[in-house]
Amino acid sequence: GAVVSQHPSWVICKSGTSVKIECRSLDFQATTMFWYRQFPKQSLMLMATSNEGSKATYEQGVEKDKFLINHASLTLSTLTVTSAHPEDSSFYICSARGGLAGAYEQYFGPGTRLTVT
Amino acid sequence: LAKTTQPISMDSYEGQEVNITCSHNNIATNDYITWYQQFPSQGPRFIIQGYKTKVTNEVASLFIPADRKSSTLSLPRVSLSDTAVYYCLVVRGSNYQLIWGAGTKLIIKP
Repeated sequence: GAVVSQHPSWVICKSGTSVKIECRSLDFQATTMFWYRQFPKQSLMLMATSNEGSKATYEQGVEKDKFLINHASLTLSTLTVTSAHPEDSSFYICSARGGLAGAYEQYFGPGTRLTVT
Repeated sequence: LAKTTQPISMDSYEGQEVNITCSHNNIATNDYITWYQQFPSQGPRFIIQGYKTKVTNEVASLFIPADRKSSTLSLPRVSLSDTAVYYCLVVRGSNYQLIWGAGTKLIIKP
């Protein structure tokens, strides 16, 4: 139980284009989803928290107009990196909380490696 | 300002017990403590969660003293495959805010 998937697992895009990453909770309803970014050999960095049907709450320093988050259903959240630049290249990971996972546990997706050329 | 602090790195040997301690001096009454394991280029994996005293599951134990200002993740009889980064996370009970530690890189040697 408590499986979270991400798609794609990796993506390469040209500078200036937009990329959408999907996060799905496969066997539970995720009332809350989180998006993280992780640069090589660095810690997890929480970017934003989204509750189903509400606007995402972004962490300080994260541009909400650049990283668009949509959490339209209890099993799907998307992160769109708009006008991507090479410095956006990173490992993006989502997690989901809810259902049998409980209020304090979150389960992570496998991550998406974004490379912007 | 709430903060979660853990050692940057630790080394140990196969077959040993490893204890990783996390400090969370400003923990509040309703906060929970959770630990995650992360391998390179993978999402973190939930290990264990606790509120007080001791919690044990099939992979680890979590010790939390009475004042709850720290917690210790205990991995019994580690193997090479336990080499990973371990994160301590305090979840605020009042608003579910996440307070992550920076992670402890554990290296297990043969």
